[in-house]
Amino acid sequence: DTAVSQTPKYLVTQMGNDKSIKCEQNLGHDTMYWYKQDSKKFLKIMFSYNNKELIINETVPNRFSPKSPDKAHLNLHINSLELGDSAVYFCASNRAGANVLTFGAGSRLTVL
Amino acid sequence: DAKTTQPPSMDCAEGRAANLPCNHSTISGNEYVYWYRQIHSQGPQYIIHGLKNNETNEMASLIITEDRKSSTLILPHATLRDTAVYYCIVRVGPSNQGGKLIFGQGTELSVKP
Repeated sequence: DTAVSQTPKYLVTQMGNDKSIKCEQNLGHDTMYWYKQDSKKFLKIMFSYNNKELIINETVPNRFSPKSPDKAHLNLHINSLELGDSAVYFCASNRAGANVLTFGAGSRLTVL
Repeated sequence: DAKTTQPPSMDCAEGRAANLPCNHSTISGNEYVYWYRQIHSQGPQYIIHGLKNNETNEMASLIITEDRKSSTLILPHATLRDTAVYYCIVRVGPSNQGGKLIFGQGTELSVKP
């Protein structure tokens, strides 16, 4: 009965590969997010979707492509992985307009 | 959104109150103060938020000064499980851009036995 679930929890891959991280929330929230936390522990917003529509794109390279098939799911696809993409990626969700976010447990991506 | 300033680290003895300060001297009238925490290797967790009145819930209390330029998060009886990084965030209230929370460096709280 996890509220915001992400898969996989760990992902190790080679430079140049393409990978996806999936996120699902069962809270009935309208808005979902991807945040990136790098090795220095800074947590930065990447994308936000509201009812399947992109509303925030924080100047992320176009190798990153979020996809929201429905309002309960927000997936993150990353093409041509680079060393600097190594980080923990957090999915989050909230009711539209509210600032109380529920975060997933994170997906640790390591690019070798 | 107004900038916040927090001490990088604090210690607290188990069972004592932990008082975490936050300065937000440029806060404007429609901005709320939000607190989140991140326990090691977990996702951030919402704690509490307020506009100008003091707030309390099952996790913590939030004290906001009358001029709203600073606030204090209080964990009344800290336990070892409260060891985490605590983030103070100032953000306008519910809006179409809700959720674009900007996390700073936060305060690393260590609760010691």
